[in-house]
Amino acid sequence: EAQVTQNPRYLITVTGKKLTVTCSQNMNHEYMSWYRQDPGLGLRQIYYSMNVEVTDKGDVPEGYKVSRKEKRNFPLILESPSPNQTSLYFCASRPQGTGNTIYFGEGSWLTVV
Amino acid sequence: GQQVMQIPQYQHVQEGEDFTTYCNSSTTLSNIQWYKQRPGGHPVFLIQLVKSGEVKKQKRLTFQFGEAKKNSSLHITATQTTDVGTYFCAGRRGSTLGRLYFGRGTQLTVWP
Repeated sequence: EAQVTQNPRYLITVTGKKLTVTCSQNMNHEYMSWYRQDPGLGLRQIYYSMNVEVTDKGDVPEGYKVSRKEKRNFPLILESPSPNQTSLYFCASRPQGTGNTIYFGEGSWLTVV
Repeated sequence: GQQVMQIPQYQHVQEGEDFTTYCNSSTTLSNIQWYKQRPGGHPVFLIQLVKSGEVKKQKRLTFQFGEAKKNSSLHITATQTTDVGTYFCAGRRGSTLGRLYFGRGTQLTVWP
């Protein structure tokens, strides 16, 4: 089954404690991206990757890092999480070519206290 | 600031009524996509529009892309309770193919 898998799905953590949200897709997609969703703000793009070893900033990259060492994985790293990073995070992927369907993961609820 | 504006933020309709949500960009878009997110779910891709003035239909849903490629709309005819959710538009500019600018969404509630 074609899917985008995120882990963890739910996490409560403390300020400053580094964490990684993993994202993996089994569709051999070139493009992957991370979004955060906050009430009333819709989806905002954090980082995206057009292919392996190619990453770029989105609208709200501050406080986040990503890496794309292999095609299937695109982890989101919060080096020193702060409460304003409490949000619902979505990973997404699609094949190369902007006309292709984007597939979203189920989402990761992150709370930073 | 918000690159793509979407209105209304909320819409409550009775089952059988029509529904429309609108998106507007200050800059020309290379294409626009529409997504639906059910409560508690993840966004699901509905459609992409690319051409100026393009109109596409999916059963009761009609999508339009403006002539200037700066605005778009989604119209649902005769809403059903299964249409409940938040509808997002997302636009892309030609110079930054990896960037996708989402509107804030329209949350649709349908009363039976």
